[in-house]
Amino acid sequence: EIVLTQSPGTLSLSPGERATLSCRASQSVSSNYLAWYQHKPGQAPRLLIYGTSNRATAIPDRFSGGGSGTDFTLTISRLEPEDFAVYYCQQYGSSPRTFGQGTKVEIK
Amino acid sequence: QVQLQESGPGLVKPSETLSLTCTVSGGSISRNNYWSWIRQPPGKELEWIGHIYYNGNTDYNPSLKSRVIMSVDTSKNQFSLKLTSVTAADTALYYCVRDKGRVFDYWGQGALVTVSS
Repeated sequence: EIVLTQSPGTLSLSPGERATLSCRASQSVSSNYLAWYQHKPGQAPRLLIYGTSNRATAIPDRFSGGGSGTDFTLTISRLEPEDFAVYYCQQYGSSPRTFGQGTKVEIK
Repeated sequence: QVQLQESGPGLVKPSETLSLTCTVSGGSISRNNYWSWIRQPPGKELEWIGHIYYNGNTDYNPSLKSRVIMSVDTSKNQFSLKLTSVTAADTALYYCVRDKGRVFDYWGQGALVTVSS
C-alpha cells in the first residue's frame, strides 16, 4: 500500500501568513488522485481538495493544492482564524486508500 | 445536508466483538454512494476499514478483512460495523463516512471505542 508522509508535523504561524503543507507518497499516486481534509477538534473532518487541485464545494479560494507523482502540497494563502486545524492528505489512486499522519497548523 | 452519527458501546473487552451503527440523515442511504468506516488509533494516522453499498456489496481493507463484517439496513437508513476478536490495538476513534468511491465527503463526529478488560 502507498504510505503518505506529511511534513512538517506542526506549523506555527500567525493569521494572515501563508501556510505550505507537504505530502510525500512512497510511490507515484496514480492519476494524481490525492485529496486533502481539514479537521478541527470536536468536529467532523471536512473535504477540502480532490484530484490534487480541485476545491470541494464551498471551500474558499485561499486553499489551493498542487503537485504530481509523489510530491503534493496544500497552500493556504492567508491564514484566517478558522483555518487553524489539522490537515490530512489521502490518496485514492490505488487500493487500499491511505492517509497521511497529519500536519497541525497552530497559532504562533 | 447529509449528517452521520455513530452509536455503540464505548468499551469492549479483548477478544470480543466491537459493534457500531451509523445513522444517516438528510439523504437516503440507497442513493448512489458507498458508506465507509474509517478509524484513527491514538497518535496514529487514519485507516480505511472498508465500505458497503446500499445493495450490500462490500469491500474491506486487506489488513482487517478477516475480522470485519459490514451490513446495511435501508429501512432505517443505517449501516453497521462489526470487528471481531478485538485487541488493544483496535482502540480508536471510529468514523462513519459517506464514500464517493474515491474521496470521503461527509463524516460523522466519531465514536471512541476503547478495548480493555
